[in-house]
Amino acid sequence: GENVEQHPSTLSVQEGDSAVIKCTYSDSASNYFPWYKQELGKGPQLIIDIRSNVGEKKDQRIAVTLNKTAKHFSLHITETQPEDSAVYFCAATSGNTPLVFGKGTRLSVIA
Amino acid sequence: EAGVAQSPRYKIIEKRQSVAFWCNPISGHATLYWYQQILGQGPKLLIQFQNNGVVDDSQLPKDRFSAERLKGVDSTLKIQPAKLEDSAVYLCASSFTDAGELFFGEGSRLTVL
Repeated sequence: GENVEQHPSTLSVQEGDSAVIKCTYSDSASNYFPWYKQELGKGPQLIIDIRSNVGEKKDQRIAVTLNKTAKHFSLHITETQPEDSAVYFCAATSGNTPLVFGKGTRLSVIA
Repeated sequence: EAGVAQSPRYKIIEKRQSVAFWCNPISGHATLYWYQQILGQGPKLLIQFQNNGVVDDSQLPKDRFSAERLKGVDSTLKIQPAKLEDSAVYLCASSFTDAGELFFGEGSRLTVL
């Protein structure tokens, strides 16, 4: 089955700096890669996703890149703000299998 | 639009006791999921329903966990008897289709003593 590895497990950045979180997946059939943000005491919330027919997708300060050959995808957050502090999860699925999540990255943005 | 509702938010029980969690998905969402999130880990799918039918329950420990979605709307997840390792947050999510965005509830935090 699919296995998703996520790095780093914790990340601290200064406000205004960029943050990058990386994930690798094992199943070459996976074709959908969402990113979720989970704030304390809340459920995960989708922030951006990418499908395998696209190499990059951007939404304001957030971007995701996908390298199908290397089987890895990354989340980029620019101009970080304190409200970006949360746990971020990557996930992958082929559509015929359940969404498999990484273990999460705790991002702290220091003001 | 109302989100996914879950109750209770917190539950503390002793091992070997039973517990039940309830979920009401977003109106019109045909697909409902129960995930288990152990502290420090990502959510792990326990069971997926499409309307009132089970699509995937391959990771549900069926000797102690059960779930139902009567009438294809709300759902309950039951654990009986509970073990210490069942301590986790149980997240319910729903989506309009089985390939759509997942909307999560706030979760039910279970502590087994």
